[in-house]
Amino acid sequence: EVQLVESGGGLVQPGGSLRVSCVASGFRFNTYWMHWVRQAPGKGLVWVSRIDSDGSRTTYADSVKGRFSISRDNSKNTLYLQMSTLRAEDTAVYYCVRAAADGSNFPFDYWGQGTLVSVSS
Amino acid sequence: YVLTQPPSVSVAPGKTATITCGGNNIGTQSVHWYQQKPGQAPVLVIYYDGDRPSGIPERFSGSNSGNTATLTITRVEAGDEADYYCQVWDRRSDHYVFGTGTKVTVL
Repeated sequence: EVQLVESGGGLVQPGGSLRVSCVASGFRFNTYWMHWVRQAPGKGLVWVSRIDSDGSRTTYADSVKGRFSISRDNSKNTLYLQMSTLRAEDTAVYYCVRAAADGSNFPFDYWGQGTLVSVSS
Repeated sequence: YVLTQPPSVSVAPGKTATITCGGNNIGTQSVHWYQQKPGQAPVLVIYYDGDRPSGIPERFSGSNSGNTATLTITRVEAGDEADYYCQVWDRRSDHYVFGTGTKVTVL
C-alpha cells in the first residue's frame, strides 16, 4: 500500500524558516517524481514544487522560487521542503504528492494527509 | 495559464452533475480531475481527460475539447458531495496549474 506521511509543520514567525518532510512507503520511491502542493485555509489547491526521481532537477512556482528548496533522500525514502523567508501568505496545508510516473505530464496519483504550516507573529 | 471553474454546482440525488474547466485551448492539453472531501486529501478521479483510476466508479467520466474540459458525474450520490479540481501541466512554463475548484452540493 502506497503511503505518504508528512511531518514538520507548525507555527513559525514571518521571516522564519521551517523544513517539512514526507516519508514514503509501499512503492519504489527512487523511480518517481515527487511534488509539494499546498492549500491555504478555505482556499484551492496550488502547486508548489517538483523534483525528479534522482533529485537532479527541480522546479518551483513563482511565488516560492528563491525561498523554498525541494530535495529528497532516496536512501531514506524521504522528500523534503525547506522553506525560508516565510510570509503570512505561505500559511497552508502542505501535501506531499506522487506523480504517477517518471516524467512531467503525469497525474498526481497519491497524496499524503498534509501538514499544516502557520506563519504568524 | 488560468483554469476557470464554476464555484458551485447543485444537483439532486440520482441526477447528473456537470463540472466545467475553462482554459485557452485546453483541448490540446491533458486534464486531470481531483475530488476533495472536507478534511481529507484530494483523490484522483479522472486522468488524461477521461480515464478512471481503479476503484473510481464508472459514474465518473471526463471529456476535453476546445476551450472546455468537463467532468460528469451520473446518478449522483450523497457521497459525491465534495470539492472538485481540474489540473493541467503547462508545458510552456513547466508548471502545474489547478482550476479554481467547484463545490458540488447534493440536494
